[in-house]
Amino acid sequence: EVQLVESGGGLVQPGGSLRLSCVASGFTFSSYAMTWVRQAPGKGLEWVSAVSSGGGGNTYYGESVKGRFTISRDNSKNTVYLQMNSLRAEDTALYYCAKGFQMYHMDVWGKGTTVTVSS
Amino acid sequence: EIVLTQSPATLSLSPGARATLSCRASQSVSSYLAWYQQKPGQAPRLLIYDASNRATGIPARFSGSGSGTDFTLTISSLEPEDFAVYYCQQRRSWPLTFGGGTKVEIK
Repeated sequence: EVQLVESGGGLVQPGGSLRLSCVASGFTFSSYAMTWVRQAPGKGLEWVSAVSSGGGGNTYYGESVKGRFTISRDNSKNTVYLQMNSLRAEDTALYYCAKGFQMYHMDVWGKGTTVTVSS
Repeated sequence: EIVLTQSPATLSLSPGARATLSCRASQSVSSYLAWYQQKPGQAPRLLIYDASNRATGIPARFSGSGSGTDFTLTISSLEPEDFAVYYCQQRRSWPLTFGGGTKVEIK
């Protein structure tokens, strides 16, 4: 069964850091791009970041997180990470990990991990 | 950044009715547009990719059309499980973007 499981969310103060992880199973992880998408409470979907397949040499970021978030992947662990620094209240959201399909559509999603930024 | 505008924001229909959802891009995305369905408390689900291709396991009542800047998702006859929020997403250029969503609710 193809599956993505996110972890690492939690409550953090403004200016703090968190690292999200997403463990993949059921498919050849290294062959697919991976993406993070977030959803603030009661709001729509916002694309956050993506990393290319293979060695992950290409990374991409939304404007709202550029310079603060870093995406990476470890194919030996079937895991994609999102390092989040300088967190702000507006980063509060449910963060989904998704598998790339046709490059950067998304055909498999995890259940998400919640990040709350508050003092 | 390519802005995707979905309309209407809410669509109130009865089971069995035909639903027509629109997604308009601020510049051409060619055919690089997907549609997702999201139900409360669930992750999004890919329905249509590259404008008109149904994803694996998606019923034939869902169809997508369009290219360039104007796209349509059609649900030919609404089933009770189809009442949800629908999002479009483009992969034509960075940053990837989603539309604001259309909620299909029971009339």
